[in-house]
Amino acid sequence: NAGVTQTPKFRVLKTGQSMTLLCAQDMNHEYMYWYRQDPGMGLRLIHYSVGEGTTAKGEVPDGYNVSRLKKQNFLLGLESAAPSQTSVYFCASSRDWFEQYFGPGTRLTVT
Amino acid sequence: GENVEQHPSTLSVQEGDSAVIKCTYSDSASNYFPWYKQELGKRPQLIIDIRSNVGEKKDQRIAVTLNKTAKHFSLHITETQPEDSAVYFCAASLYKLSFGAGTTVTVRA
Repeated sequence: NAGVTQTPKFRVLKTGQSMTLLCAQDMNHEYMYWYRQDPGMGLRLIHYSVGEGTTAKGEVPDGYNVSRLKKQNFLLGLESAAPSQTSVYFCASSRDWFEQYFGPGTRLTVT
Repeated sequence: GENVEQHPSTLSVQEGDSAVIKCTYSDSASNYFPWYKQELGKRPQLIIDIRSNVGEKKDQRIAVTLNKTAKHFSLHITETQPEDSAVYFCAASLYKLSFGAGTTVTVRA
């Protein structure tokens, strides 16, 4: 039982490049989330999903897209990376709106 | 949306002493208040949570209190140990979680 996993752990992008972050969970959770963490700002919600095939915007969605084609996976895409997207990205999942469990994070640097 | 403020931003305590972190929230409809602990380079981990129908919850050395009237809640850590050193985040939600900015707790030996 791996819980929540994220791929990759680290990535360096040049401005304008694209990439996809993968989140996977094996707890059969309906709800999944993508957050970004910046120094002194806590965790901010980017997008979330309340079930397979659904997605919704969070607090800071601009510049990101998501997809939830399978219940266990939640993908976060950056179509044209900008230096402002340098951050640590965390995925989380939960059975309902409570008790979110986080993945190990992806450290992204955009130069 | 919900706005969560967390104080202090840093806290240094002597080993064995107590630590208290306070958070305020803006949306009176919020009904779920978790606390997360994040060690350096690691993922946030849920350590305790409380729902709006409860005023206090305790788990060994940690406790959380909630004052719905004043819209604030607090984390209390007693008999602090070096392994309690970490960043602690509070959050509040009706549905989506809104996080505070975090408190860096350092326990001095």
